[in-house]
Amino acid sequence: AQKITQTQPGMFVQEKEAVTLDCTYDTSDPSYGLFWYKQPSSGEMIFLIYQGSYDQQNATEGRYSLNFQKARKSANLVISASQLGDSAMYFCAMREGGSEKLVFGKGMKLTVNP
Amino acid sequence: NAGVTQTPKFRVLKTGQSMTLLCAQDMNHEYMYWYRQDPGMGLRLIHYSVGEGTTAKGEVPDGYNVSRLKKQNFLLGLESAAPSQTSVYFCASSYSVNSNQPQHFGDGTRLSIL
Repeated sequence: AQKITQTQPGMFVQEKEAVTLDCTYDTSDPSYGLFWYKQPSSGEMIFLIYQGSYDQQNATEGRYSLNFQKARKSANLVISASQLGDSAMYFCAMREGGSEKLVFGKGMKLTVNP
Repeated sequence: NAGVTQTPKFRVLKTGQSMTLLCAQDMNHEYMYWYRQDPGMGLRLIHYSVGEGTTAKGEVPDGYNVSRLKKQNFLLGLESAAPSQTSVYFCASSYSVNSNQPQHFGDGTRLSIL
């Protein structure tokens, strides 16, 4: 069964610093995809970054990068140079290969302080 | 550039009333999903559809029905609303179930059942 674990309920970071948001997953399927979404206080879900299980390199999208450690089954999101607008809930999610379903973690709240 | 549009954005119902939430996407996506988001629970899949005329149950389907009569629309119905269905409801769509395809979300519907 799929499972996504985000153990940090909340984090605080100073503006301009880097921050790592943890995500571990559990699957027996060798083919899967990992996603991170951002949910600001306005409520919408914003797709940030994707990492495939067979990707050789860690995914990067602007200030977002994914620290993918396959053996440890972790897919941590790294945000460089935090901005006040990064304050939001962040959700890690996984889809096994060929599955229609995306399974979400419970999320964690990031607060960026000026 | 509409993407996924949900109506209504807010609604208050009395216990026992019925209502339908509408989701419309203009991206020609085959797959559509309904989630509910409750505090501390992340997003949980209610029902989903893999194409026009098809629907399937997700993780928490009880008390809800869905229909996908047109490819671009996915309706979520509550036949007899209960206070436990107070939640934020999100619709999402994706082009395929290739693991690298993210789901695109609507802005959510905040539903309160009194």
